[in-house]
Order: sequence, then C-alpha cells, then structure tokens
Amino acid sequence: AQSVTQPDIHITVSEGASLELRCNYSYGATPYLFWYVQSPGQGLQLLLKYFSGDTLVQGIKGFEAEFKRSQSSFNLRKPSVHWSDAAEYFCAAGGSQGNLIFGKGTKLSVKP
Amino acid sequence: GAGVSQSPSNKVTEKGKDVELRCDPISGHTALYWYRQRLGQGLEFLIYFQGNSAPDKSGLPSDRFSAERTGESVSTLTIQRTQQEDSAVYLCASSLEQGRNSPLHFGNGTRLTVT
Repeated sequence: AQSVTQPDIHITVSEGASLELRCNYSYGATPYLFWYVQSPGQGLQLLLKYFSGDTLVQGIKGFEAEFKRSQSSFNLRKPSVHWSDAAEYFCAAGGSQGNLIFGKGTKLSVKP
Repeated sequence: GAGVSQSPSNKVTEKGKDVELRCDPISGHTALYWYRQRLGQGLEFLIYFQGNSAPDKSGLPSDRFSAERTGESVSTLTIQRTQQEDSAVYLCASSLEQGRNSPLHFGNGTRLTVT
C-alpha cells in the first residue's frame, strides 16, 4: 500500500540551529514528492516539490529537500532555523491520478 | 488572484444535525480535493473532482458523507446526521489540473465541532 511516514511527531530546535525533518515513502513507482507547512491558524502552504531531475530541490523560506531513491526518503532541511519556522510540516507523495497521500506531520517548536 | 476560499471558517453543530461546507476553488483550477484533518493527525483524503469526470469518492468514510461540484467551480461537502467523531478541520484544495505537475493550493479549512 502507498504510504508516507514522518517518524518524528514533535521536534524542538534552538533558533539558529540546523533542522532536518524526516520523511519516508512507500510507493510502487517513482513518486512526486512535496513538503507543505501549516502555521497556526493558516492553511497549508507548499514549501517545495520534487518531480524528477536534480535530487536536491530548493524551496521557499530557505528550505531544501533531498530525494534519495535508495532510502525511499525525502528529508527536509534548513541550515539555520528562525522562530517564525515554528509550525507543522507535512510530507506528501503523489497518488495515482494526482491525489496526494500525506504523512501525519511533524510539529516543529523553536527555542529562543 | 484570490486563493481557495472555504466557508464557514468555524461550525459548531449538535450531534445528529446535517452540515454543509463550501469551497470556492481558484478560478481556472479544474481539480478540487477535500481532505479531513483530525486533531493531531495528518490529512485524510475524502474525495476529489476533475472536470466533468466522475469524482473519486474512495476516501469518504461513510454514506453520511457526500460532495457535489458544479462544473469547475464551487463544491459543497455535506455530512448528514453528524457524529462526534466527525469533529475535524475539513480542508479543500484545488489544482490547475489533475496530475503530478500541479501542486495543490489549500484553503484555510472549516473547523467542525460536533457537540
């Protein structure tokens, strides 16, 4: 069955520290992959997407993600976290006919 | 231009009542999706529409749930005889077209509370 797993429910990092949020997928074919962010009281916003080609993709707000086929992973990274990055982050994989399958999300807290 | 608009933003209803949630997609977007997000959970796919094709209803949790879409515009999600477990945020998203090259644009959701 197709699935997306985000192993970390909640992560706390200090402001200025680096960040990596994990995402693993189970899929029958090469998926297309997304990271979305949901800030409190806001809708989901697309951070970045991977369709094909370069396995390191750049997104908005200084985020990047790397597709690793051998590990079935698409981890999200940021070199230096800002307090405004505190939010919930969702990884998603392309379903058949365009539907997206979402992970359960990772809540990021940022310590001053 | 305007994003995806959902109304109401909040809805409190009594158990057993019917509710109707509305979604206005981005103009020109042919694909429209409904997701449910329960507290502390990920997004659960409910249904999607693509143009005039038959909708994919595979995610609807029970026959109390139904959705309609008029052409390529407004969609309504109806929940009949609401139960407490229906309490969640219902998210609507639209995309330019169905398929991998069209990211979803989400509305802010309708928070449904069933008392």
